[in-house]
Amino acid sequence: DIQMTQSPPTLSASVGERVTITCRASRNINNWLAWYQQKPGKGPKVMIYQASILEDGVPSRFSGSGSGTQFTLTISSLQPDDVATYYCQQYSLYSSFGPGTKLEV
Amino acid sequence: QVLLVQSGAEVKRPGSSMMVSCETSGDTFTRFAVHWVRQARGQGLEWIGVVVPALGKRNFAQKFQGRATITTDVSTNTVFLRLNNLRSDDTAVYYCARSLGSSGYYTSWGQGALVTVSS
Repeated sequence: DIQMTQSPPTLSASVGERVTITCRASRNINNWLAWYQQKPGKGPKVMIYQASILEDGVPSRFSGSGSGTQFTLTISSLQPDDVATYYCQQYSLYSSFGPGTKLEV
Repeated sequence: QVLLVQSGAEVKRPGSSMMVSCETSGDTFTRFAVHWVRQARGQGLEWIGVVVPALGKRNFAQKFQGRATITTDVSTNTVFLRLNNLRSDDTAVYYCARSLGSSGYYTSWGQGALVTVSS
């Protein structure tokens, strides 16, 4: 199994601030990485796939980058609606998730 | 929008088995893979396994090998997850999700089914 890690576990930021979350894979996953947003009491929602492709309908303030073993999710200008937990998922070999980053505004 | 409709909440005794169902569309059965993911209260997402119904292929996370089974019913386009020898730490919301292949990201999720393991 491929292990995924994320940092930080919790992030507190202000509205309008630029926010970055990091995800690392235990081995090379090329760009087979997705980012999900999960709000309390709801299921996950894909935001970005293939490391940098924005899912339809996702605001352009979200962006993703990276390849190999290190990836980032960036929110260029944090909005109150972005309060959620964010998970990375590798799908190079079946699937596994990072432990999540709880984003507070 | 693709609908994945799951069975309802269950309460199980330690040592027993659970079975959660996920009703999909015929399109899903012929073209997609169905994964199972669980989430304990306040915890992260944990991948359990996957089935590709059209190929009959299955794979499980190492942690669940030998204890989890995924079956399909083509007549109702339904996928089932069975987990045996339940423990209290199996208490979680169990989700099914759809991807294009056995390795894929998820654009459609079921509503989740809470399974509580308690004596």
